[in-house]
Amino acid sequence: NAGVTQTPKFQVLKTGQSMTLQCAQDMNHNSMYWYRQDPGMGLRLIYYSASEGTTDKGEVPNGYNVSRLNKREFSLRLESAAPSQTSVYFCASRPTGESPLHFGNGTRLTVT
Amino acid sequence: AQTVTQSQPEMSVQEAETVTLSCTYDTSESDYYLFWYKQPPSRQMILVIRQEAYKQQNATENRFSVNFQKAAKSFSLKISDSQLGDAAMYFCASLNYGGSQGNLIFGKGTKLSVKP
Repeated sequence: NAGVTQTPKFQVLKTGQSMTLQCAQDMNHNSMYWYRQDPGMGLRLIYYSASEGTTDKGEVPNGYNVSRLNKREFSLRLESAAPSQTSVYFCASRPTGESPLHFGNGTRLTVT
Repeated sequence: AQTVTQSQPEMSVQEAETVTLSCTYDTSESDYYLFWYKQPPSRQMILVIRQEAYKQQNATENRFSVNFQKAAKSFSLKISDSQLGDAAMYFCASLNYGGSQGNLIFGKGTKLSVKP
């Protein structure tokens, strides 16, 4: 049982380049999330999708777009990367109700 | 707005001793859940323990227990018989449920060191 799978694990971009972070879960969860983790800041929500076909902004959505491709997949796109987007990105999912989040192993992104 | 505050950026404990990590939260919701996550150097986010706000009894998972004070909006984590493998970042998180989006809001974390 793979759980939540994120690709890639590491990425280096130059300022202005674009890329898409991929996330897939095989637990049939309804909700999916993208967080970024920066030193001393904890995890901050970028975007989330409460169910297939819906997406909503979180605390720090600027500079990002998301797509909930189907129930399994939720991608995060950086259209024009900036050094301020250097961070570790986590995808997570959970079923409905009060269940906790299940996390992927994160993507370390560096923008130079 | 929902907030979670961890006032201890770093903590240290001697192996086999007990340590308590502090967390306070603020929410206007009546239904919510609280969690502690552990993040070792591997970067993996691991659920340690969870507490339903409607339950008065404090949650316990082996060496991990919480002190949930609903009126004070406090949710501390106690680690007993600390082990070297407990060294990690610990994050407190709050999940609103029952009409809200169901987002998990995290504190900034406490880095726990365990001395042999």
